[in-house]
Amino acid sequence: GAGVSQTPSNKVTEKGKYVELRCDPISGHTALYWYRQSLGQGPEFLIYFQGTGAADDSGLPNDRFFAVRPEGSVSTLKIQRTERGDSAVYLCASSLIPNTGELFFGEGSRLTVL
Amino acid sequence: KQEVTQIPAALSVPEGENLVLNCSFTDSAIYNLQWFRQDPGKGLTSLLLIQSSQREQTSGRLNASLDKSSGRSTLYIAASQPGDSATYLCAVRGSNSGYALNFGKGTSLLVTP
Repeated sequence: GAGVSQTPSNKVTEKGKYVELRCDPISGHTALYWYRQSLGQGPEFLIYFQGTGAADDSGLPNDRFFAVRPEGSVSTLKIQRTERGDSAVYLCASSLIPNTGELFFGEGSRLTVL
Repeated sequence: KQEVTQIPAALSVPEGENLVLNCSFTDSAIYNLQWFRQDPGKGLTSLLLIQSSQREQTSGRLNASLDKSSGRSTLYIAASQPGDSATYLCAVRGSNSGYALNFGKGTSLLVTP
């Protein structure tokens, strides 16, 4: 596609529920990143994929968070047993060149946990 | 860990003024630095990417400079317009800190007509 696409744009869920957020990167971009942004803060790194594998998952806050990219294109961020503190905007970005390339971001998925 | 600081946190200027946004980072071992714009409720739009070997990049009315040794970058906006109102974020990719971009908290810019 022309840009990074994220769905859903908004998700409201109840505490304890399971949530999936989807990211479709720019066609041909092998590097994919997930970030989380809270109000008034800069984005915070969660996980980086190079192809199908997670090259760096050091930013995932705990084992309730998991992400996959099975075919090296679309990625899904999965959050189990959601907590109110998980409420944030989840941003996905992709890059053509892994380490030094320009990052292009999607519009984000706003997650609200009630 | 790479720390990125942006000053000022907020800025209000009248239309037509030239302005400078500042970004500082603690670890000078970087691959590159990227400036983004974020409109309310939206994602990030890439403005300029400066590789570690470069001193500056220009795009239209925007000019970004990089002084790696002092850990500083500036974003210069010429002849500001109300449409420039947004939050501007600086992000650094450190060569010692894996693959992540480390972001500042941003500068919220308001350009008044």
